[in-house]
Amino acid sequence: DTGVSQDPRHKITKRGQNVTFRCDPISEHNRLYWYRQTLGQGPEFLTYFQNEAQLEKSRLLSDRFSAERPKGSFSTLEIQRTEQGDSAMYLCASSGPASYEQFFGPGTRLTVL
Amino acid sequence: EDQVTQSPEALRLQEGESSSLNCSYTVSGLRGLFWYRQDPGKGPEFLFTLYSAGEEKEKERLKATLTKKESFLHITAPKPEDSATYLCALPDSGGYQKVTFGTGTKLQVIP
Repeated sequence: DTGVSQDPRHKITKRGQNVTFRCDPISEHNRLYWYRQTLGQGPEFLTYFQNEAQLEKSRLLSDRFSAERPKGSFSTLEIQRTEQGDSAMYLCASSGPASYEQFFGPGTRLTVL
Repeated sequence: EDQVTQSPEALRLQEGESSSLNCSYTVSGLRGLFWYRQDPGKGPEFLFTLYSAGEEKEKERLKATLTKKESFLHITAPKPEDSATYLCALPDSGGYQKVTFGTGTKLQVIP
């Protein structure tokens, strides 16, 4: 399968714990995006990488959130000191250099108890 | 600020009953408009990109059209497997890479 993959698919954690999610983009895509989606809403942009450089961050991305893309391949999104309000689906997408059509992964469903 | 508004929020159709979903938008410089399909618990699946007013694209029972203020997703003779949430989205006029999504239309097609 050559689509965007995300791991884990589901994560249940207790409030205050740290969690980390991984995204592997489509292999030839140099752009990678993270979104958050809550029930009944469309995805909300969190951050964007071009190769290994993080070029844009949403105001939604508080200091507890950090994202990396070492070597311009896979990316990780870490949430520190999770809160119940962080419960959501976290989506990763990628796009190629010649287009800004974004292709999404299956998402990671986070539940904070 | 760019805005995307979708209507209706939910739509229930009998199998074979054609209808249209609406996406109204406000953007200072249109760089394209995307349509996605999203099944429950899954990531959005890319359907179409429309770039300019008057453009139309088709895929199976779906046809997307674009005017200067809105886009329509026409569904002809829908089947139960077309049941999903349909999202429209705009590349942000302030930067090519941020995409603003609407809240979606949840379509249910009843056999």
